Amino acid sequence: DIVLTQTPGTLSLSPGETATLSCRASEWVSICLAWYQVKFGQPPRLLIHAITKRLAGVPDRFSGSGSGTDFTLTISRLEPEDFAVYYCQQCHTAPLTFGGGTKVEIK
Amino acid sequence: EVYLLESGGGLVQPGGSLRLTCATFRITFTNHAMSWVRQAPGKGLEWVAAISGDGADTYYADSVRGRFTISRDSSKHTLHLQMDSLRPEDSALYHCVYPGSGSYPAPFDLWGQGTLVSVSS
Repeated sequence: DIVLTQTPGTLSLSPGETATLSCRASEWVSICLAWYQVKFGQPPRLLIHAITKRLAGVPDRFSGSGSGTDFTLTISRLEPEDFAVYYCQQCHTAPLTFGGGTKVEIK
Repeated sequence: EVYLLESGGGLVQPGGSLRLTCATFRITFTNHAMSWVRQAPGKGLEWVAAISGDGADTYYADSVRGRFTISRDSSKHTLHLQMDSLRPEDSALYHCVYPGSGSYPAPFDLWGQGTLVSVSS
């Protein structure tokens, strides 16, 4: 199975700052890499798929980048509603796998 | 509005069984793969099982293979997860999930709120 390692585990930042979240895959995943946002009491929300493609309605302060095995989710100008847990997911090879998550908390 | 609605969760003893159901509303159910994903308290997301659009192919995580069975009812547009030989480590919030692309594996555009399964004596 492809293992996704997310770093850091927790990111403590202030509103207005930029969050940089990393996701490293144990094998090449082509372009099949997605990012989800999870808030307490809500189901996960798909933010980005195919490494860089934002879903409709996702603010442009969220951007994805990377290739091969190393990927990044950047959240520019953090808003209060952005403090949450973020997961990466690969869909290149079954079984589909998720990373362990990065919590973005208010400093 | 499109949405997914899970039911069937509850408290069960180790070794027991539960059957989860996902009712779907206004999605393209036919020929779309569907999956279940779970999240244990304080833990991350774990994909559990998937079924192809025609129901002919099923896929399972190693942790549940041989104990869980995923199925779908095309006439009712519902998804099911039969969970047998339940273990405490199966305790989690179980989400029904839908990939916009219709295939497996693929990102999940739509998630249900989830149904809570607790396995404890």
